[in-house]
Amino acid sequence: KNQVEQSPQSLIILEGKNCTLQCNYTVSPFSNLRWYKQDTGRGPVSLTIMTFSENTKSNGRYTATLDADTKQSSLHITASQLSDSASYICVVSSGDMRFGAGTRLTVKP
Amino acid sequence: DSGVTQTPKHLITATGQRVTLRCSPRSGDLSVYWYQQSLDQGLQFLIQYYNGEERAKGNILERFSAQQFPDLHSELNLSSLELGDSALYFCASRTRTGELFFGEGSRLTVL
Repeated sequence: KNQVEQSPQSLIILEGKNCTLQCNYTVSPFSNLRWYKQDTGRGPVSLTIMTFSENTKSNGRYTATLDADTKQSSLHITASQLSDSASYICVVSSGDMRFGAGTRLTVKP
Repeated sequence: DSGVTQTPKHLITATGQRVTLRCSPRSGDLSVYWYQQSLDQGLQFLIQYYNGEERAKGNILERFSAQQFPDLHSELNLSSLELGDSALYFCASRTRTGELFFGEGSRLTVL
């Protein structure tokens, strides 16, 4: 069983709408959690990093939350744009790094 | 631009052949990671090097091998290629603060 589970597997939304992606992990001990955006056929790019003491962090229209007690993180995208269409990958570090399978987001006009 | 350079960008070869993928990490980064991403799949960790030494192994086949050279560039060697080896192969370098910077990948097609 993967130690980092992401949901949903895929998501389709209309341009301008908001959405929230989920990441649940069982990795322990916990060092940090990162969200990456991967455009199709491109390398992943870091969006945010969350450490144990951080609950919320924003990067433009992206807001990540972390609940270290329940081992859950979310990535909220506000006012989605067509360019947000990509896979979003949750990576949890505890010395080594564990990758989630990603959520594929499609934003339609 | 992540600062991580991968070559070649695209490679088409036949089953049974051998290829070498190359990665130059960001200046100052000592760690190099290799990942495989098959079509519509997640990133699968293959192997990690740190300052020339192998640090961790993931789901890397015996037909695959890698090394990191004194100048810190790394090569991933794939031999006896099979159709199922067709994938994107990503290299990433890791900063001292633990952030991964990915290259643009090498797309391997085995016919």
